[in-house]
Amino acid sequence: RKEVEQDPGPFNVPEGATVAFNCTYSNSASQSFFWYRQDCRKEPKLLMSVYSSGNEDGRFTAQLNRASQYISLLIRDSKLSDSATYLCVVNYNAGNMLTFGGGTRLMVKP
Amino acid sequence: DVKVTQSSRYLVKRTGEKVFLECVQDMDHENMFWYRQDPGLGLRLIYFSYDVKMKEKGDIPEGYSVSREKKERFSLILESASTNQTSMYLCASINPGPYEQYFGPGTRLTVT
Repeated sequence: RKEVEQDPGPFNVPEGATVAFNCTYSNSASQSFFWYRQDCRKEPKLLMSVYSSGNEDGRFTAQLNRASQYISLLIRDSKLSDSATYLCVVNYNAGNMLTFGGGTRLMVKP
Repeated sequence: DVKVTQSSRYLVKRTGEKVFLECVQDMDHENMFWYRQDPGLGLRLIYFSYDVKMKEKGDIPEGYSVSREKKERFSLILESASTNQTSMYLCASINPGPYEQYFGPGTRLTVT
């Protein structure tokens, strides 16, 4: 079983739609959680950290459920420019190492 | 802005060649990482370094070695390239605290 699991997608949604991704992690000792975004043929970049209380950044909302060991990302009012792969990332507090999920691909259509 | 640079964007090598991939970061980060990324397998950690001359194996170190002679530079070495090492190689350094990893643009290596 992978340590961090994501549905690879692709999720095909129309512009303006709301879309949600989930990610599950296996290590209950996980400390920190993140969503990264990776555009085609580019490097991953931090989108947002995920806090226990949930956090919002514009159209993006991240939630953490420690009891069920999953993280979610909600994107409202999808834009064409949101098309990318979204990587769920977990830190197990073993130094500064991060464990990446396989990514979920989002395609926003006009 | 943090900058992580990699020596090549695209590289084509022959089986058996020795390959050097170089990575440089300009933010004085202590921790640096080498990953490979393959379709369906995601990002996998090859090696990381938490200080000059220090290195630790990641999840898939076989066939690779690394060198960290200076804080800003972390090199990945393929001693004898094989076709199964064809991949995208990503270097990263980390900003501790928020644990944000900054990635280089990647090197797409093809071994023929």
